[in-house]
Amino acid sequence: GAGVSQTPSNKVTEKGKYVELRCDPISGHTALYWYRQSLGQGPEFLIYFQGTGAADDSGLPNDRFFAVRPEGSVSTLKIQRTERGDSAVYLCASSLGNSPLHFGNGTRLTVT
Amino acid sequence: GQQLNQSPQSMFIQEGEDVSMNCTSSSIFNTWLWYKQDPGEGPVLLIALYKAGELTSNGRLTAQFGITRKDSFLNISASIPSDVGIYFCAGQLSGNTPLVFGKGTRLSVIA
Repeated sequence: GAGVSQTPSNKVTEKGKYVELRCDPISGHTALYWYRQSLGQGPEFLIYFQGTGAADDSGLPNDRFFAVRPEGSVSTLKIQRTERGDSAVYLCASSLGNSPLHFGNGTRLTVT
Repeated sequence: GQQLNQSPQSMFIQEGEDVSMNCTSSSIFNTWLWYKQDPGEGPVLLIALYKAGELTSNGRLTAQFGITRKDSFLNISASIPSDVGIYFCAGQLSGNTPLVFGKGTRLSVIA
């Protein structure tokens, strides 16, 4: 596609449930990033993929968060046993080589 | 997590005025980027800076990479209503490290 696509655009879930957020990067982009943006804050790094492997997952807050990119293109961010504090906009970005990141419009997650 | 210090937090200006905002860090970055975010959308890249001292323009926007590599500023000249949004600075140490973002400057333009 023309840009980074994220689905769903909005997700409301109950505390304790499991959610999956999907990211379709720009075609051909080898690097894929997940960021989380809380209200009034800048994006905070979660995890970065180079190809299929997670090159840096130091931003994942705890072991309830996990992300995969099995074929080096689409990525899924998975959150287990969601908590109200997980509510935020989850942004995905992709890049080619050392070029700047291109962001999707994010998934707004609300945990009730 | 680590964040850059961005100021001011918010600005209200008259249409046609010039705007200046800046970003500082306690550590060095080798790339500085400026993004704009509109409501409900992801950040969109405005300007990328790759060399200390570099001054780069993109239309009415001008940004500079500080000599110390610990700061950057963004200027917008002759503001227009569509400049409204949140402006984020971001620093990157190298191509293999993640971007670190500031908290943003919220710009409001009064027509």
